[in-house]
Order: sequence, then C-alpha cells, then structure tokens
Amino acid sequence: AQRVTQPEKLLSVFKGAPVELKCNYSYSGSPELFWYVQYSRQRLQLLLRHISRESIKGFTADLNKGETSFHLKKPFAQEEDSAMYYCALNTGGFKTIFGAGTRLFVKA
Amino acid sequence: SAVISQKPSRDICQRGTSLTIQCQVDSQVTMMFWYRQQPGQSLTLIATANQGSEATYESGFVIDKFPISRPNLTFSTLTVSNMSPEDSSIYLCSVRAAMKEGSGANVLTFGAGSRLTVL
Repeated sequence: AQRVTQPEKLLSVFKGAPVELKCNYSYSGSPELFWYVQYSRQRLQLLLRHISRESIKGFTADLNKGETSFHLKKPFAQEEDSAMYYCALNTGGFKTIFGAGTRLFVKA
Repeated sequence: SAVISQKPSRDICQRGTSLTIQCQVDSQVTMMFWYRQQPGQSLTLIATANQGSEATYESGFVIDKFPISRPNLTFSTLTVSNMSPEDSSIYLCSVRAAMKEGSGANVLTFGAGSRLTVL
C-alpha cells in the first residue's frame, strides 16, 4: 500500500540548532516526493520537491530510495521556521498522499 | 501559480443539515481536488472533480455524502450532506500549480480551507 509516515507529531528545537524532520514512504514504483509547509494563519504551500534538488529557506531534502526516506533538514533553525510540515508522495497519477504532519517549534 | 478562493472560511452547522463549500480559481484548470483535514490528522483526498464529467471519489467517500459540482474550468463546489459531528473538519480545495518545468505538474496549490464545525 502507498503510505507516507512522519513519525514525529511535534519537534521542538532551539534557535540555531540543526533540525531534521523525518519522512518515510511506501511505494514500489518511482516516487515523486514533496515537502509542504503551513505557517500560522497561512495556507498550505509547497516548500520543496525532490526533483528540483534545491534548497529553500535553508531547507534541503534528499531522496534515499534504499531507505525509502525523504527527510527534511536545516543546519540552523530559525524562529520563523516554526510551522506545520507535511511530507507528500505522488505516485505518478493524479493522487497525492500526505503524511500526518510534524509541528516544528523553534524556541528562542 | 493559480490563486484559489474558498468560501465560507468557517461555519458552525447543526447536525443533519448540509453545507456547500465553493472553490473559485483565477485560471482554467482541468482537475480540482477536494481534501479533508480532520483535527490532528493528515490531509485525505475526498475526490477529484473534472469539468464535464462526474467526480472520482476515493475509497471511503461517496457521492451521496459529498456531492460535487464542476460547472466550468474555474469553479467547483463540495457539499457535505446530512452532517454529523464526525464531519467537523477543514475542507481544502486544491489544483495543480502552473510551473515552468514540465515536471512540476504534480505540485499542488491550496485554498485557505473551510473550517466546518458540526454541533
């Protein structure tokens, strides 16, 4: 079955500390993976996607097919990074599957 | 990317009534997606709305409970029928974002959501 797992509901780190939000997926084919973010009082929006191999707001994510993971990382967390983060999987059709989300709280 | 307007932004409804949520997009799109986000849970796709044909529903969702209209390429409605407290949720309209790269076709743009509370 196709599935996205985000094991942490809440992640709390201090400002300046590294942060890693975990995401594992289950899909036998070639996946397309995304991270979406929802800041307070804003709508859900794309943060980055694995195809682009880009760094957005200091965040990166590498697709590891062997471990079926797509963890989101940032070396130095900022207070403005506090938000809800969703890992998502598109399996080549029209359907996107979302993980349960991780709330990141960056403390001053 | 496309801009999506959803209304109502929130509503409080009585058990047994129905509510229709509207989704307006500022550009023509082939497919529109309706998601549900229950408290503390992830987004779950309810159905895909295609202009000119019946909506395609995901497992666990049926047309009688969630009828969808798609009269043109910029507009869709989702109705939550015969509501119960279990229907209390945020309902999100989504479309594929317009990206320069062809591989960006699966990126989604979301509306602000409609928060529904059923008493």
